[in-house]
Amino acid sequence: AQRVTQPEKLLSVFKGAPVELKCNYSYSGSPELFWYVQYSRQRLQLLLRHISRESIKGFTADLNKGETSFHLKKPFAQEEDSAMYYCALNDGAGKSTFGDGTTLTVKP
Amino acid sequence: KAGVTQTPRYLIKTRGQQVTLSCSPISGHRSVSWYQQTPGQGLQFLFEYFSETQRNKGNFPGRFSGRQFSNSRSEMNVSTLELGDSALYLCASSLAGQDTGELFFGEGSRLTVL
Repeated sequence: AQRVTQPEKLLSVFKGAPVELKCNYSYSGSPELFWYVQYSRQRLQLLLRHISRESIKGFTADLNKGETSFHLKKPFAQEEDSAMYYCALNDGAGKSTFGDGTTLTVKP
Repeated sequence: KAGVTQTPRYLIKTRGQQVTLSCSPISGHRSVSWYQQTPGQGLQFLFEYFSETQRNKGNFPGRFSGRQFSNSRSEMNVSTLELGDSALYLCASSLAGQDTGELFFGEGSRLTVL
């Protein structure tokens, strides 16, 4: 069975501070990991995926297979980063499992 | 390309009734997944369809069912509605086959059960 855990439901930081949203997973195969973001009054959308190894809006995430983690990081948070963030695991056969989400608030 | 479209956007039902929700995927996408989103439990996977076949199923009771048509449009049905079924139901489509795993979401259908 695949499982995704996001230990923090709420995370609050000040503008300009570093931010890290934690994600741990359990899966017996080789996972595809994603971060999705939902801004206020917008639909859920892809932020980044581990296979592309790119930085989107200043966010990066590294897959650590030893620790089964895929934490999302940004060195300097901006107010526009305030949103709900979901970590997701895709099994390559059509099923994506999501964590419970972390609400990030960036204070001015 | 038009995005994923879900109808209706909002609906109110009473306990015991049934409801059907519709999802039109992005053109060319053959996989459609359904999720239930609630404030307390995040996104819970309902089921996934590919080429009119249910490939994956989550841990929901049999009252929750779905289907996919030959044009990839999908419907989900909930029978004998309960208060706890109140939620935002999200549909997502993806390019299965060249499965990158990326999901494209609709805006959702918000169901309120009274």
